[in-house]
Amino acid sequence: DTGVSQDPRHKITKRGQNVTFRCDPISEHNRLYWYRQTLGQGPEFLTYFQNEAQLEKSRLLSDRFSAERPKGSFSTLEIQRTEQGDSAMYLCASSLTAGASNQPQHFGDGTRLSIL
Amino acid sequence: SQKIEQNSEALNIQEGKTATLTCNYTNYSPAYLQWYRQDPGRGPVFLLLIRENEKEKRKERLKVTFDTTLKQSLFHITASQPADSATYLCALPLSGGYQKVTFGTGTKLQVIP
Repeated sequence: DTGVSQDPRHKITKRGQNVTFRCDPISEHNRLYWYRQTLGQGPEFLTYFQNEAQLEKSRLLSDRFSAERPKGSFSTLEIQRTEQGDSAMYLCASSLTAGASNQPQHFGDGTRLSIL
Repeated sequence: SQKIEQNSEALNIQEGKTATLTCNYTNYSPAYLQWYRQDPGRGPVFLLLIRENEKEKRKERLKVTFDTTLKQSLFHITASQPADSATYLCALPLSGGYQKVTFGTGTKLQVIP
């Protein structure tokens, strides 16, 4: 179990630029989640995938945000035309399919995005 | 609206004592509740899950209770150690189903040697 890995760990960019983050989940996990976390808050749900299918998107996810999981393995989260308010920690998590009872989520250590 | 409340003030306790953290929720009856630990600059780490038909769950020095009448979960760390210092988050499925959870804001625990 190599854990969930996220890349990059830190990203600093100017307002208006596009950024892309990558998440590699635990290999046998078919469910993948993206969250955003700001200081003093808990993680806020953005979207999740079951294999390659994106099953739900939060209303927090504006049109500038897009996520993909093309082969049901790694995932990318892209933010276009970044704004100051996008500065946050972006967390990825993966889990097995819930079935009758929920499976815990395994988190990566996040990508910290700073918008100048 | 559905809401999760955790004490936003930090909890400071003496080493060796029992730490008790609270998670309250409103306007929903979740099928389960989870507790996670988060260290600065790291992602949350799953600790325990308790289901609605379970009153109490234990794991080593950790104990979680779930009172669906009070809409409250208590998280206890017995014989606390400085290494237990972290932020503790509760999470529950507010929107129905088992597919995703909503996290509380977390409570920061500081164990003083």
